[in-house]
Amino acid sequence: AQTVTQSQPEMSVQEAETVTLSCTYDTSESNYYLFWYKQPPSRQMILVIRQEAYKQQNATENRFSVNFQKAAKSFSLKISDSQLGDTAMYFCAFTTLTISNFGNEKLTFGTGTRLTIIP
Amino acid sequence: DSGVTQTPKHLITATGQRVTLRCSPRSGDLSVYWYQQSLDQGLQFLIQYYNGEERAKGNILERFSAQQFPDLHSELNLSSLELGDSALYFCASSGPQVSGEQETQYFGPGTRLLVL
Repeated sequence: AQTVTQSQPEMSVQEAETVTLSCTYDTSESNYYLFWYKQPPSRQMILVIRQEAYKQQNATENRFSVNFQKAAKSFSLKISDSQLGDTAMYFCAFTTLTISNFGNEKLTFGTGTRLTIIP
Repeated sequence: DSGVTQTPKHLITATGQRVTLRCSPRSGDLSVYWYQQSLDQGLQFLIQYYNGEERAKGNILERFSAQQFPDLHSELNLSSLELGDSALYFCASSGPQVSGEQETQYFGPGTRLLVL
């Protein structure tokens, strides 16, 4: 079974600082995808970033970047120049790749990290 | 706005009752997924439909059922409700696989269910 572990239940950082959220996963699959989703107080689940396991280059989206260490099964999220709007729960999620004509696989989520940006 | 819509936003009902949650996927998406987010269980996958057919089941109770209609909208039916069913229910959708890539799932705003 695939598992996703987020070991930091809560974190806080001053506005404009950089923060890194940790995520580890366990799988025997070789083809998979990793995601970070953000859940602000509105409870909406918002995609932050995605990483394909076959890609060696770490994904980046503006102020958000990941450190993907495939051998260590680690997938951390770095938020640079943090802003008040980054305050949210952040979930790491994992899915395997199935080549099929029947859609994609379910997401397995970690328990989340509650991030607070302090003004 | 993800393009996935869910109704209603909030639902308050009593134990033993039955409710229906509705989801419309993004335009062009064929897959619909249902997830449950409760305080003590985190986000749990319930069930997936692809182009009208059930594709995968997760930890979905027998009291719960779902379907996807020809217009691709989906409904999640929860019956004989218990206090523990109180949760946020998300619907997500994704497009058909192209070039062997896994498609990203985009989430609706969720339906908050409170069972009293």
